[in-house]
Parts: sequence; C-alpha cells; structure tokens
Amino acid sequence: DIVMTQSPLSLPVTPGEPASISCRSSQSLLHSNGYNYLDWYLQKPGQSPHLLIYLTSIRASGVPDRFSGSGSGTDFTLKISRVEAEDVGIYFCMHSLRTPHTFGQGTKLEIK
Amino acid sequence: QVHLQESGPGLVQPSQTLSLTCTVSGVSIISGGYYWSWIRQLPGKGLEWIAYVYYNGDTYSNPSFKNRLSMSVDTSKNQFSLHLKFVTAADSAVYYCAQYYYNNNGLEYIGFDNWGQGALVTVSS
Repeated sequence: DIVMTQSPLSLPVTPGEPASISCRSSQSLLHSNGYNYLDWYLQKPGQSPHLLIYLTSIRASGVPDRFSGSGSGTDFTLKISRVEAEDVGIYFCMHSLRTPHTFGQGTKLEIK
Repeated sequence: QVHLQESGPGLVQPSQTLSLTCTVSGVSIISGGYYWSWIRQLPGKGLEWIAYVYYNGDTYSNPSFKNRLSMSVDTSKNQFSLHLKFVTAADSAVYYCAQYYYNNNGLEYIGFDNWGQGALVTVSS
C-alpha cells in the first residue's frame, strides 16, 4: 500500500495569516495520463469530510480560491493564503492512483 | 443536489455481520463513472477506505478486509450496501458512504465529492 505522511499534525494559525500543509507519498502518484492523483479533504468539527482539491490542484466546486494545491510525484502541498475562522478542522490528503486508496494521518488546523 | 444517507444498526454483536445501506438521491446510481463507496473513521483516528462498487456489481475492496467484505447494489431503490462479516471491537467506527467519480481512464475524475453524514457502529456484546 502507498503510505501517506502529513506534516505538521497540528497547525495553530492566526486569522489572516497563511498556512501550509505538506503531504508525502511513499510512491509516485503520477499516472501515465500525466495527472498526479492526490486529493485534499477537510473535516470540519462535527461534520463529514468534504472534498477541497482533487488531482493535486483543482479546487472542488464552491471551494474558495484562498485554497490552493501543488506538487508532483511524491511531494504535495496545500496552502491557505489567508486563514479564516471557518477553516478550522482536520485536513487529510489521500492518494487515488490505485486501490487501496490511503489517507494521511490528518493535520488539525486551529485558530490561535 | 446529490445526497447520501447511511442507515443500519448502531450496535452489532462480535462475530456477527455488520450491514449498512446508503440511499442516494439527486443522481442515478447507474450513472456512468460513479463508484459507490464506503469509508470509515476509527475513534479518534484517521480515515480508512473500505471498498466501492459500480452499478453493475463490480467491487473493488481494500485487501485489509480480506474475505470479510461484500457489497451489493439495488438499482430499483437507488441504494448500495456494505456487509462486513465476523466483526470485532476493532471494527467500531463511523462509517461513511461516499460518491466517487472516475471515468475515461482517469481523464474524468473528481474523487469523493459527496459524502453521507456518517453512521456510528459499535461492536459489542
């Protein structure tokens, strides 16, 4: 199985400041079609996870443009340009290159 | 708007079978490219992909569940189900159903873009 490793696991952020989460995979997520199959999900407190970004950098419908994703191969990053209070929760990366899909441990973003 | 809703018993006896059903609305379960999925979240821990099923019954599952797992689809009710046999306390978790889109060899892809609210299942006697 592909192992997904996130850092940091805890991320206190001041509102209005940027935030960055790293996700590394134990194998390259680059498909022969040229896409890197890495997605990001956010689980807000008391809610189900929801999709933020897919194929490394494509924002899901309704996701604010302060969220951006980048990376290739085994190293990926989720960035929030200016954190807002509503961004608190646990962020998970997940690979979908093949089955079994596996998730990172999660990064808990909290407001300072 | 797509909506998924899990249903099933919240308490299952050890060694018995855990069965959950997901009712889908807002999209036909036979729509091409959609894989109907189960993901679980163990208490205080991360997410684990269990399996998904295509409308024709083709199932793709996590090998960690070995031969304990089966899935079914009821197209007449727009539902799909998970059956996990020989459960233990380690299977206690919140179980989510989710919609996964993958088509045209991955050139059309969205990921798990709709999730149910989750069903808490406790395995205990």
